[in-house]
Amino acid sequence: GAGVSQSPSNKVTEKGKDVELRCDPISGHTALYWYRQSLGQGLEFLIYFQGNSAPDKSGLPSDRFSAERTGGSVSTLTIQRTQQEDSAVYLCASSSRQGQETQYFGPGTRLLVL
Amino acid sequence: GEDVEQSLFLSVREGDSSVINCTYTDSSSTYLYWYKQEPGAGLQLLTYIFSNMDMKQDQRLTVLLNKKDKHLSLRIADTQTGDSAIYFCAVPSGTYKYIFGTGTRLKVLA
Repeated sequence: GAGVSQSPSNKVTEKGKDVELRCDPISGHTALYWYRQSLGQGLEFLIYFQGNSAPDKSGLPSDRFSAERTGGSVSTLTIQRTQQEDSAVYLCASSSRQGQETQYFGPGTRLLVL
Repeated sequence: GEDVEQSLFLSVREGDSSVINCTYTDSSSTYLYWYKQEPGAGLQLLTYIFSNMDMKQDQRLTVLLNKKDKHLSLRIADTQTGDSAIYFCAVPSGTYKYIFGTGTRLKVLA
């Protein structure tokens, strides 16, 4: 596709369950970001991938959060033992190369933890 | 750490101009961005300005940058109901990160 896609678009889960969120960046984009947007808040940086370099995980809020990027393309954000405070919109963005290039965002995954 | 502030709400009448403000504490010397988020959607790139510019005009949009005061603004001329959305400024931090503001919710009254 032409843009960044994310799946699922909505996810409802029970507290304590694990969830996986998927991001398909724009083809050829080497940089990929995950953000979290809580109700009424700005975007909180979670993790950054650039090519084959080690990711910047400095924004991950706890060790329950992890992310992978396979083959330099698709990325999966995993939240283990979900908590109610994990409820938010998780946004993925990609950009064409390293550095402060324009980020293109996906539509987000709305996660609700009951 | 870096901080980016925006007012939370702005209400204008259709046809008036809207001005959305953004203040920041620090910025790298590259691009500063404005994004628009419509309900239930991701962020859509609206416009940007390079840090060595004071002003950029793009159709109904005017971006002003005051580096001395660390102030960025977005002016929308002839605001329409379709402009109702949340607007985020994004300020560079380091070599690849951006700090996003909290977003300004613009409501356009018919």
